[in-house]
Amino acid sequence: DVKVTQSSRYLVKRTGEKVFLECVQDMDHENMFWYRQDPGLGLRLIYFSYDVKMKEKGDIPEGYSVSREKKERFSLILESASTNQTSMYLCASSKGAGGIYEQYFGPGTRLTVT
Amino acid sequence: AQSVTQPDIHITVSEGASLELRCNYSYGATPYLFWYVQSPGQGLQLLLKYFSGDTLVQGIKGFEAEFKRSQSSFNLRKPSVHWSDAAEYFCAVVGYSGGGADGLTFGKGTHLIIQP
Repeated sequence: DVKVTQSSRYLVKRTGEKVFLECVQDMDHENMFWYRQDPGLGLRLIYFSYDVKMKEKGDIPEGYSVSREKKERFSLILESASTNQTSMYLCASSKGAGGIYEQYFGPGTRLTVT
Repeated sequence: AQSVTQPDIHITVSEGASLELRCNYSYGATPYLFWYVQSPGQGLQLLLKYFSGDTLVQGIKGFEAEFKRSQSSFNLRKPSVHWSDAAEYFCAVVGYSGGGADGLTFGKGTHLIIQP
């Protein structure tokens, strides 16, 4: 069974802190993605990666960075957390090239920045 | 760039009634289309997908969707809803760049409420 896990379900951080959100997939998928989900806005793509050490900006990369040192792990980094980054963060993975394969999602991390 | 519109923010349906959730997309070439469902507190689960071929696709949980190129639509249907279908539904599109992965572009979602 495909599994995408995220390190925390709930996280509370203070403004200005450096925040790491971790995502691990056990399907040997090439592609991994980070989205944020906000009410009324749906899901928006932050960053994605199609190979180890590769990264591509999505639609809303400002204020975020990512790291992919191993194929199974994709980290989202908030260098200096701000209140407008309070959101639900969803990680996903998929196999193959071109993005045509199903993306499998983790359960999400609800981040609150105070 | 591609985009997805889900015109209905909320839909209320009686249990046992039929359901249709609307999705319109904008993309220059042949799109790859998906419907996902998100139950409260959960991640997203794929209901069905369209890549090519038969324009009527069957998914899990009794759902189906029809791709209509002339209307740029990919509406989701179910003949008889169950209380457990109450959830948030997202339509999504991805383009094929010929290279590596591409992220999905999602609609803003439709919240389905089931009345007893």
